Amino acid sequence: NAGVTQTPKFQVLKTGQSMTLQCAQDMNHNSMYWYRQDPGMGLRLIYYSASEGTTDKGEVPNGYNVSRLNKREFSLRLESAAPSQTSVYFCASSDYRVLGGTWYFGPGTRLTVT
Amino acid sequence: DQQVKQNSPSLSVQEGRISILNCDYTNSMFDYFLWYKKYPAEGPTFLISISSIKDKNEDGRFTVFLNKSAKHLSLHIVPSQPGDSAVYFCAASSTGTASKLTFGTGTRLQVTL
Repeated sequence: NAGVTQTPKFQVLKTGQSMTLQCAQDMNHNSMYWYRQDPGMGLRLIYYSASEGTTDKGEVPNGYNVSRLNKREFSLRLESAAPSQTSVYFCASSDYRVLGGTWYFGPGTRLTVT
Repeated sequence: DQQVKQNSPSLSVQEGRISILNCDYTNSMFDYFLWYKKYPAEGPTFLISISSIKDKNEDGRFTVFLNKSAKHLSLHIVPSQPGDSAVYFCAASSTGTASKLTFGTGTRLQVTL
């Protein structure tokens, strides 16, 4: 049981390049999320998918797109990378229920845009 | 608009003593709260949670207290151990928001010998 896995672990891009961050979970969770962590900012929600077939914007969606490929996989795409997207990206899945549940996080992808 | 606030960026505590980490929130719709622990170069790991129908939840050395009227929660670690040194994030969600989790900015705890 691997939990939440993310690829790649590290990536360096030049401004304007594109890339896709991959995320998969093996816990049969309905909900999946993408967060970014910046110094002094905590974790901020980029996009989420409450269930297979649905996606919604979070707090900081500009410059990103997502695809919920199936129940297991949720990818994040940067179409034209900018230096402001230098960050650590975390994928998460959740067994959320009313007043309960836990969000499980992957190990993160460290992205640098030069 | 920071809906979940952790006003202490860092805290240093001696081994064996109590660590108290604080968190305030502004959104009165939040009804479920969690604490996460994060080591460098790793993802956050779940520590403990509390729902709005309780005012205290305990799990071993970790206790979370919730004061709904003050919109304040705290995490107590007793006794503190060197392995507890990490960044601690407070997070909150509300029923009906498609399970979105909102995080505070984190408090770095250092437990000294």
